[in-house]
Amino acid sequence: ELKVEQNPLFLSMQEGKNYTIYCNYSTTSDRLYWYRQDPGKSLESLFVLLSNGAVKQEGRLMASLDTKARLSTLHITAAVHDLSATYFCAVVDAGNMLTFGGGTRLMVKP
Amino acid sequence: DAGVTQSPTHLIKTRGQQVTLRCSPKSGHDTVSWYQQALGQGPQFIFQYYEEEERQRGNFPDRFSGHQFPNYSSELNVNALLLGDSALYLCASSFLPFDLDTTVDGYTFGSGTRLTVV
Repeated sequence: ELKVEQNPLFLSMQEGKNYTIYCNYSTTSDRLYWYRQDPGKSLESLFVLLSNGAVKQEGRLMASLDTKARLSTLHITAAVHDLSATYFCAVVDAGNMLTFGGGTRLMVKP
Repeated sequence: DAGVTQSPTHLIKTRGQQVTLRCSPKSGHDTVSWYQQALGQGPQFIFQYYEEEERQRGNFPDRFSGHQFPNYSSELNVNALLLGDSALYLCASSFLPFDLDTTVDGYTFGSGTRLTVV
């Protein structure tokens, strides 16, 4: 059974600071997604990572994937308040089923 | 943009009742997956429908059932509602077979249905 773990579960940071969210998964997968969710809203797709060493960047967010370590990271550079949200990683199994991590609630304070 | 449409947006039911949630997939998508997201948790996979058949099922009891119609839309039915069924129910559509060249929108999520069981 595929298991996905994120840490930290909660992150409070000052604007302008950098931080990294980690996502570990238990079995081999060929796809990993990062999503953003605002309170009471649905999931917004941020990145999909397909291969070992994949790196994608959008604005202040950068995601990377190490398939050998079964680890993905979401790095936040110079955080701003608008990035406050809950971030989920999700891994696809052989049956195209998405398994989500527990989420990281990010709060960026002025 | 014809994204994923879910209805209703909010619903309040009493324990023991039955509920039906609806999902229309994004244009061009043929697969629908349903997820349950309890407050403060990540979404949990319920089941996936493709070609009007249930292809995969998560760890949910038989009280949860579904259907996919020829137009690819889908319904989620929950019988004998429990207080613990209160959650946000998300529908996600995708296209199979998965095309690595069009992965950005691999899964498109609807806005969800907030179910409250009292």
